[in-house]
Amino acid sequence: GQQVQQSPASLVLQEGENAELQCNFSTSLNSMQWFYQRPGGSLVSLFYNPSGTKHSGRLTSTTVIKERRSSLHISSSQTTDSGTYLCALERTGGYKVVFGSGTRLLVSP
Amino acid sequence: EAAVTQSPRNKVTVTGGNVTLSCRQTNSHNYMYWYRQDTGHGLRLIHYSYGAGNLQIGDVPDGYKATRTTQEDFFLLLELASPSQTSLYFCASSDAVNQDTQYFGPGTRLLVL
Repeated sequence: GQQVQQSPASLVLQEGENAELQCNFSTSLNSMQWFYQRPGGSLVSLFYNPSGTKHSGRLTSTTVIKERRSSLHISSSQTTDSGTYLCALERTGGYKVVFGSGTRLLVSP
Repeated sequence: EAAVTQSPRNKVTVTGGNVTLSCRQTNSHNYMYWYRQDTGHGLRLIHYSYGAGNLQIGDVPDGYKATRTTQEDFFLLLELASPSQTSLYFCASSDAVNQDTQYFGPGTRLLVL
């Protein structure tokens, strides 16, 4: 089965609303990373967060290893936040990065 | 200035064709990776390398070869392209010390007819 599950698969928000994106994993990990993929396809690294909470502007990432989950919180969403959010984990026991299928976010004005 | 570049950005070939995708990074990173992205699968690792002359097999290597000629350059080769290899291909690099922070190129869209 899939080692990384992202939810929801898609999300529609009104501008100004908050979003909580989830990444659950079924394997032990060395690290967790969140990416934003623009509608045109390019990928931008948002967070490298193996554990704990990190903040960057309106974004907050929280990884709880013992619960095997990581979340990405977007506050006061903007239309420019629209795109796909991907989580990726590096498994323990040798280098292998596994990506989730992503959450497609649409923020409407 | 973009630190990871890919070429070509778009490519169309026919079944059985020979395709080479190029990636260059100017981050002075040791690690480089090739991924493919398909609807419903997210990104999947094809091959990766931790230095010139080194090659490691990823999760979906069948039908692909790769070669790391220098620290900067990593090539993905499809010697007998098939329609199943139609995909969006990403190259990435990361620091040897902090190998989990990856920096991605803009992607190459490949269509195999």
